[in-house]
Amino acid sequence: EAGVTQFPSHSVIEKGQTVTLRCDPISGHDNLYWYRRVMGKEIKFLLHFVKESKQDESGMPNNRFLAERTGGTYSTLKVQPAELEDSGVYFCASSQGGGSDQPQHFGDGTRLSIL
Amino acid sequence: KQEVTQIPAALSVPEGENLVLNCSFTDSAIYNLQWFRQDPGKGLTSLLLIQSSQREQTSGRLNASLDKSSGRSTLYIAASQPGDSATYLCAVGGGADGLTFGKGTHLIIQP
Repeated sequence: EAGVTQFPSHSVIEKGQTVTLRCDPISGHDNLYWYRRVMGKEIKFLLHFVKESKQDESGMPNNRFLAERTGGTYSTLKVQPAELEDSGVYFCASSQGGGSDQPQHFGDGTRLSIL
Repeated sequence: KQEVTQIPAALSVPEGENLVLNCSFTDSAIYNLQWFRQDPGKGLTSLLLIQSSQREQTSGRLNASLDKSSGRSTLYIAASQPGDSATYLCAVGGGADGLTFGKGTHLIIQP
């Protein structure tokens, strides 16, 4: 079974540019989560999809961030325009269901550097 | 707002020792608790998940306990090996929303 895959693994862009991160969850996993870790801080929750519907986006920092999951398969996270403080590692996770017995499985992350 | 604290932040022990990593959380109304390990430059690997109704879970040399009322969990690693060197993360689930993470314990097992 393939794990959660994220593209790209590393992105370097200049302030003001746009970047789109992609996450492919484990096949059959309806729940998809985005997290990020900025330097020196703990990993923080951004948002949660069940299939194509956003369940909770309380962790999204501001309206420069847009997440989509059209068709309920892969998801994208767009940052437009990127700011310096957006630098960090963006993780995606998926789980088969939302029950308390369902672990979240994480990808390797996308390391985003804003210059 | 849930807050998760992990102690110690870093730990270095000789190979073969048994060790305990600690995790505490401020809100006892949790859904579940997950322990992860993270190797440098890699993602998070799920080690153990304890549901709120459970007291412990075991996998191989790992044992995780949960005391929800006191807001504590421990990860016990028996007979440590150099391959256990990694950062260990504790994360608390609140239900429909995402996990709340601690900052992790950076573990080094000396050969």
